Amino acid sequence: RKEVEQDPGPFNVPEGATVAFNCTYSNSASQSFFWYRQDCRKEPKLLMSVYSSGNEDGRFTAQLNRASQYISLLIRDSKLSDSATYLCVLRRGGQNFVFGPGTRLSVLP
Amino acid sequence: EAQVTQNPRYLITVTGKKLTVTCSQNMNHEYMSWYRQDPGLGLRQIYYSMNVEVTDKGDVPEGYKVSRKEKRNFPLILESPSPNQTSLYFCASSLSQGVREQYFGPGTRLTVT
Repeated sequence: RKEVEQDPGPFNVPEGATVAFNCTYSNSASQSFFWYRQDCRKEPKLLMSVYSSGNEDGRFTAQLNRASQYISLLIRDSKLSDSATYLCVLRRGGQNFVFGPGTRLSVLP
Repeated sequence: EAQVTQNPRYLITVTGKKLTVTCSQNMNHEYMSWYRQDPGLGLRQIYYSMNVEVTDKGDVPEGYKVSRKEKRNFPLILESPSPNQTSLYFCASSLSQGVREQYFGPGTRLTVT
């Protein structure tokens, strides 16, 4: 079993839709959690960190469930510009990170 | 402008010919990392560095070397490249405290024939 798993998609959704991504992880000692966004052929960029209490940034909401070992990302009112691959990232400790394979989102007009 | 730079951006080479990919950051970050990205496998960490002269292996260090002689630079060295090292490589840096957001360079696409 991979340490971090994500549904690869693609998720094809119309503009304005709400879409949710899940990520499961197997290492219960993981210390920090993040969602990164990667546009085609570009470098990954931090979308948001994920906190145990859940956190929101505009149209984006992230949740962490340590007991079930999953992380979620909810995008409301999808925009064309949200089309990208979304990467679930864990920090094992120190500077040791593990990335999920990513979920591809296409927002259609 | 705060940034991470990598050179070269594209490289085609032959098996066994030593090469170095440079990485430099101007944000005074303590931490730096190298990743490779392959289809279906995501980004995998090759090496990371917590500070000058402090480096550690990531998940896929075989066939790679790194050095951290200065805080801003973290070169990736392939002593004898092989075709299975054909990949997209990213360098990243981050602060030692807080969220530890990683800032990535633009990537280096390496092809080994």
